[in-house]
Amino acid sequence: EDQVTQSPEALRLQEGESSSLNCSYTVSGLRGLFWYRQDPGKGPEFLFTLYSAGEEKEKERLKATLTKKESFLHITAPKPEDSATYLCAVQGNTGFQKLVFGTGTRLLVSP
Amino acid sequence: EPEVTQTPSHQVTQMGQEVILRCVPISNHLYFYWYRQILGQKVEFLVSFYNNEISEKSEIFDDQFSVERPDGSNFTLKIRSTKLEDSAMYFCAILDRDKNIQYFGAGTRLSVL
Repeated sequence: EDQVTQSPEALRLQEGESSSLNCSYTVSGLRGLFWYRQDPGKGPEFLFTLYSAGEEKEKERLKATLTKKESFLHITAPKPEDSATYLCAVQGNTGFQKLVFGTGTRLLVSP
Repeated sequence: EPEVTQTPSHQVTQMGQEVILRCVPISNHLYFYWYRQILGQKVEFLVSFYNNEISEKSEIFDDQFSVERPDGSNFTLKIRSTKLEDSAMYFCAILDRDKNIQYFGAGTRLSVL
């Protein structure tokens, strides 16, 4: 069974204080690993897809990396508007592209 | 980014009643998904739907649940006899197959009393 574990559960940063979120996974053949952002009461908003170990993607203050067992979401010099829950999901190479999500990391960035 | 619209945004129902949740309107998409998120828990896959048929479903998706695309645009999730434990956010997602990205709607919050 595919599984995703995210840590920490919650993270509080000061504005400008860089940090990383972790996503470790087990999957029977990785088709893709996805990062989403979720604001309270809203649906997940797509950020990145990673397909193979060593791959990196960047968008503004966010950078996602992938190894064979985990992914990191690095947040550089965060701003208060980066406060959200960040979700990691994996897609195995069996089935019809369903996503298996972790419980997320709640990020709060204080001014 | 494709827009995924869900209605209603909030549905309150009595236990045992039937509810229908909708994704509207969607065009030029063939792959659809329903996920749910119980308050404070992870987003969980319910069902995937391709070419007007269920392609995969989870253990959660029992006989109380059904999906259909009745008019070629709306994509619906029906819960026949709601239970208290069905209270959750329900998200519809569509697949951009070229990019292999699932885009989610804002969700319907279902409250079963």
